[in-house]
Amino acid sequence: GNSVTQMEGPVTLSEEAFLTINCTYTATGYPSLFWYVQYPGEGLQLLLKATKADDKGSNKGFEATYRKETTSFHLEKGSVQVSDSAVYFCALSLTPFSGGYNKLIFGAGTRLAVHP
Amino acid sequence: DAGVTQSPTHLIKTRGQQVTLRCSPKSGHDTVSWYQQALGQGPQFIFQYYEEEERQRGNFPDRFSGHQFPNYSSELNVNALLLGDSALYLCASSYNRGPYEKLFFGSGTQLSVL
Repeated sequence: GNSVTQMEGPVTLSEEAFLTINCTYTATGYPSLFWYVQYPGEGLQLLLKATKADDKGSNKGFEATYRKETTSFHLEKGSVQVSDSAVYFCALSLTPFSGGYNKLIFGAGTRLAVHP
Repeated sequence: DAGVTQSPTHLIKTRGQQVTLRCSPKSGHDTVSWYQQALGQGPQFIFQYYEEEERQRGNFPDRFSGHQFPNYSSELNVNALLLGDSALYLCASSYNRGPYEKLFFGSGTQLSVL
């Protein structure tokens, strides 16, 4: 079946540290890949996306590269800030050829805590 | 421009009761999806509505049903509530213009079943 696996949290970092949150997926067909962020008390917000192999999504200093050969989409940021503290979700969406039109399949989420 | 709005924000019910959750999509959006997020888990797709019809459904029992109105707003109904239905219910809206349309999420309704 289709699924997303993320590294377990919480991830605790000091401000300006390098961040990596691992994400791997299993999918039939050709998925699009996403990272969403959930701040306390808020809904999910799209952070970045990549729709085909070797695409790099980027936003607000975060980056992730769609690696088809390793079925991965790891999230990275060179220097985290306290304001980046949130829960991060990796997700996939299947293209219409595979069904699942605009339906997201999420990982379990990784909580990030950044301390000054 | 209001984003996706959901009501109520919190709800407490007892086992066996029925509940209705409401969602108003972002202005201009015609497609509404519902997700269930259990504590410490990622959201799980319940179903999606477009043109007042259920277009897709996830692995949820028939106790979960929905509706979309002509103004694109939507309701999620859950019958015969179980303790395991306690979760954050998220509504997401988008345009129906293709598979890569960005989803906008509401802040959710926190349902507690006692």
